Amino acid sequence: LAKTTQPISMDSYEGQEVNITCSHNNIATNDYITWYQQFPSQGPRFIIQGYKTKVTNEVASLFIPADRKSSTLSLPRVSLSDTAVYYCLVDSNAGNNRKLIWGLGTSLAVNP
Amino acid sequence: DVKVTQSSRYLVKRTGEKVFLECVQDMDHENMFWYRQDPGLGLRLIYFSYDVKMKEKGDIPEGYSVSREKKERFSLILESASTNQTSMYLCASSGSPPPSEQYFGPGTRLTVT
Repeated sequence: LAKTTQPISMDSYEGQEVNITCSHNNIATNDYITWYQQFPSQGPRFIIQGYKTKVTNEVASLFIPADRKSSTLSLPRVSLSDTAVYYCLVDSNAGNNRKLIWGLGTSLAVNP
Repeated sequence: DVKVTQSSRYLVKRTGEKVFLECVQDMDHENMFWYRQDPGLGLRLIYFSYDVKMKEKGDIPEGYSVSREKKERFSLILESASTNQTSMYLCASSGSPPPSEQYFGPGTRLTVT
């Protein structure tokens, strides 16, 4: 069963690119990787999802190497409003035995 | 605008009370989830449901039960609340097939005294 590990915290400055890496060594063939963002007093919000290589949307990119044992969420040109906790999720759907393996979250602080 | 609503933002209950947390989604989603969130422990799945009247245990089901009588509603029940169940409870829903984006409610901060 996959286990997800991510850094507890990161610091950055406005305008920088931020990369947050999640390790999931035992990821299975059918597993997908999803990233969520959470602000205080709110539920998490979906950012991006991928299976392999690179996925890009209007807010982030997700890089997944060929062995899929890690993934990197990339936030381009962060602003103060990107200060939040970011969670990596491995969604393991082996038939009816669905497992959701969440990382403990990375607290990102963006400084002026 | 998609919505997941939870019956209360804050709740205070006494030890031994039976507690009901309600969650409603308006997206016709098949899948619904209950999590608890504690500092340093991230999100932990309590139960999930992939269809009406169906339920599956998550990682920490002990001390909890759930009910899903209608597609849009998923209830979490604490049969006899204890102080170690003081936590933030988050409900989510998602469409099929998995994996699909989970939409979360705002959470219920439950305090058991």
